[in-house]
Amino acid sequence: QSALTQPASVSGSPGQSITISCTGTSSDVGGYNYVSWYQQHPGKAPKLMIYEVSNRPSGVSNRFSGSKSGNTASLTISGLQAEDEADYYCSSYTSSSTRVFGTGTKVTVL
Amino acid sequence: QLQLQESGSGLVKPSQTLSLTCAVSGGSISSGGYSWSWIRQPPGKGLEWIGYIYHSGSTYYNPSLKSRVTISVDRSKNQFSLKLSSVTAADTAVYYCARDRSGYDLSFDYWGQGTLVTVSS
Repeated sequence: QSALTQPASVSGSPGQSITISCTGTSSDVGGYNYVSWYQQHPGKAPKLMIYEVSNRPSGVSNRFSGSKSGNTASLTISGLQAEDEADYYCSSYTSSSTRVFGTGTKVTVL
Repeated sequence: QLQLQESGSGLVKPSQTLSLTCAVSGGSISSGGYSWSWIRQPPGKGLEWIGYIYHSGSTYYNPSLKSRVTISVDRSKNQFSLKLSSVTAADTAVYYCARDRSGYDLSFDYWGQGTLVTVSS
């Protein structure tokens, strides 16, 4: 299985909104609403930010939102803050009952 | 609060078998609706899903690693384990264990802190 495709980096100024894309195929992202997003700060374990395309776990800021169109899922961070600077990964269920991660995106707050 | 803690050898020689254990506390590994995953991250690179074991004992593995991976569970100790055989330098990574909400939304909601495994002679 191939990793889902994400942009290597995205940047924005404080207060701005940014969007990270996650492109797969009809056998993963496009075929199921089981896309999740993870935030990872340096040296730390990933943290669940979005599940089932657009749902936020308790405790996650409402500045984080998710969506999906066809084979591409997206994570939007609005009102960008310094603490949002981190790596972000998408993940999807696949038609083989396995899981696949995205290539990862480094978010920089300018 | 559920907690996961990885343990095992931090240094493995090429061609040998990597062995790690994930101890689960604050909840039962036999709880229905969840499976237990291993995920790794080579230094400076992205996350790679290795595989998971259902509470029933069924396993699913990454096709690229399937021939070398075994995940098992020890319910009496509330822990699960990873074995990766015939390792090479490419298997050097931080290895994470995580809970997979396989009966719900298929997300990884709890993670261990990760343990670095280096493959070197």
